[in-house]
Amino acid sequence: EAGVAQSPRYKIIEKRQSVAFWCNPISGHATLYWYQQILGQGPKLLIQFQNNGVVDDSQLPKDRFSAERLKGVDSTLKIQPAKLEDSAVYLCASSLGNTGELFFGEGSRLTVL
Amino acid sequence: GEDVEQSLFLSVREGDSSVINCTYTDSSSTYLYWYKQEPGAGLQLLTYIFSNMDMKQDQRLTVLLNKKDKHLSLRIADTQTGDSAIYFCAESITGRRALTFGSGTRLQVQP
Repeated sequence: EAGVAQSPRYKIIEKRQSVAFWCNPISGHATLYWYQQILGQGPKLLIQFQNNGVVDDSQLPKDRFSAERLKGVDSTLKIQPAKLEDSAVYLCASSLGNTGELFFGEGSRLTVL
Repeated sequence: GEDVEQSLFLSVREGDSSVINCTYTDSSSTYLYWYKQEPGAGLQLLTYIFSNMDMKQDQRLTVLLNKKDKHLSLRIADTQTGDSAIYFCAESITGRRALTFGSGTRLQVQP
């Protein structure tokens, strides 16, 4: 079974530039999550999708972050304009059942200079 | 509110047992999880426990839950160098599938 795929693995940009991350969840998983993991911290939820609808985006900085999940499968997370404090690993995860078991991708590491 | 806390670092010798502790604040937690993260990788689920259970054992892993004190622990028996990683405690709340994670405990296993 293929896991959660994310790209790019690494991205370096200057502040005020924009960046986009892509995620392909495990086939059949209805729920998709984007987490932000700052160095030395645990992952923090940015947004949760159920199929292509948003379930929770309460911690998404909507002035600069946006996310969409077209057709209930792939998802993109965009940051525009980026700030220095956005440097982090952006983790995508998906889940199927009610136990809340999340399957994570390897993450996209963003460095903002 | 939701808050999950862990100690930052634990060092053990190979072959010893490791015990990683976690406290949480939300009494409506339904499931509690332990995830493992190796360098440069995503998080991998190790085990989870339902909130009405006190203990769960899975091979070398033992999870203990004290719901009264809101305390969760993960015991790894016969710790190996391959167990060196960051371990995250996480909780899920009734009605929400998204997990709230602690800040992680770095386990270092000395040969």
